[in-house]
Amino acid sequence: TQLLEQSPQFLSIQEGENLTVYCNSSSVFSSLQWYRQEPGEGPVLLVTVVTGGEVKKLKRLTFQFGDARKDSSLHITAAQPGDTGLYLCAGARGSARQLTFGSGTQLTVLP
Amino acid sequence: EAQVTQNPRYLITVTGKKLTVTCSQNMNHEYMSWYRQDPGLGLRQIYYSMNVEVTDKGDVPEGYKVSRKEKRNFPLILESPSPNQTSLYFCASSNSNYGYTFGSGTRLTVV
Repeated sequence: TQLLEQSPQFLSIQEGENLTVYCNSSSVFSSLQWYRQEPGEGPVLLVTVVTGGEVKKLKRLTFQFGDARKDSSLHITAAQPGDTGLYLCAGARGSARQLTFGSGTQLTVLP
Repeated sequence: EAQVTQNPRYLITVTGKKLTVTCSQNMNHEYMSWYRQDPGLGLRQIYYSMNVEVTDKGDVPEGYKVSRKEKRNFPLILESPSPNQTSLYFCASSNSNYGYTFGSGTRLTVV
């Protein structure tokens, strides 16, 4: 059973466009993390959101945690080729270090 | 440099030949975990450890063993590898509720 559903699975856009990636679940999480993974490397943590309704910004990336702490979104403004990668969301249940990962969104930004 | 180091990066082995993938972290983290990553399935937790001599099963522990004799090391042992354990493996560590540091991965092929 996939507890975290990410959409879309694949996304190919032109440089300068905006995009949103969604991470949805029927389960409540104590926190939700977003990672980016590049080919041949491990995931790298981008942000952790903890409070329902929380919004965090990291330069052109905006992360939001749903009010009910069941879902999250990642919005990228004016995407650049350097944003290309696999974006993973991960929810923490119980012990905050036991993460459940979504299956990922493969983003390609074309120059 | 704070990091999680896995070895080897690539490994091809035959069915039934015992192998160990090593993992070491230099951040004095209490929590360590092993994940496997397969296309379409995302990252799935194999085993985790809350501290020295404390380990527990994740979502897909069958066919794997771990040990945590020292804080910095968390080896993954495959006593009798089978082809369905062909995968990309990641070790990760954390000292907070707010994010993992991942190793660069070990690509294992069992023929």
